[in-house]
Amino acid sequence: QVQLVQSGAEVKEPGSSVKVSCKASGGTFSSNGISWVRQAPGQGLQWMGGIIPMFGAANHAQVLQGRVTITADESTATVYMEIISLRYEDTAVYYCARDRNFDVLTGWANWFDPWGQGTLVTVSS
Amino acid sequence: QSVLTQPPSISGAPGQRVTIPCTGISSNIGAGYDVHWYQQLPGTAPKLLIYGNNNRPSGVPDRFSGSKSGTSASLAITGLQAEDEADYYCQSYDSSLSSVVFGGGTKLTVL
Repeated sequence: QVQLVQSGAEVKEPGSSVKVSCKASGGTFSSNGISWVRQAPGQGLQWMGGIIPMFGAANHAQVLQGRVTITADESTATVYMEIISLRYEDTAVYYCARDRNFDVLTGWANWFDPWGQGTLVTVSS
Repeated sequence: QSVLTQPPSISGAPGQRVTIPCTGISSNIGAGYDVHWYQQLPGTAPKLLIYGNNNRPSGVPDRFSGSKSGTSASLAITGLQAEDEADYYCQSYDSSLSSVVFGGGTKLTVL
């Protein structure tokens, strides 16, 4: 069974950047899609984008206005999500999640299972 | 504001049946894209509850069921139990936005 383990909590200043990692173990990694979903405090879920590691190309959600980059390192079975120019409203728990049938070209994803444990990113001065 | 619409909260007594609606439009649920449901217990990651509109992953009790019709979907929970108290989210895809979309979530309270 695939397990996704994320990096630890981060505290960042406005305007800086953060890079969160998601390491897969126990199953097929490269051919599956990995997406990132965030959840602001007390709020719902927001899809940020996804990647298929074996292809390297990612699809990033338009709502993040080009501030997010998703990459993958097949050699370590790890997917990364970086946000630049952090704003207070980027404070959230960030989750990675697997989708077996992600379409990089359209951003279409099937269901997400499993999910990582979540990484809290706090933007504070 | 979420693309898919869910009521913010619902409640029910133990043993009762509740349904959580998820309303979309012609570019998402109405376009034929599947709907999936997640359960999120406090302080934990979402967990897949229903996939492909009405399929339960292994380990999910058959008290949980999903359905879809037109531009809407719904999650039904029968025989409510205290452990069902959680937030529930629907998910689909929107072709106009070229994006995965979620409902705003529904907090279920077991009275």
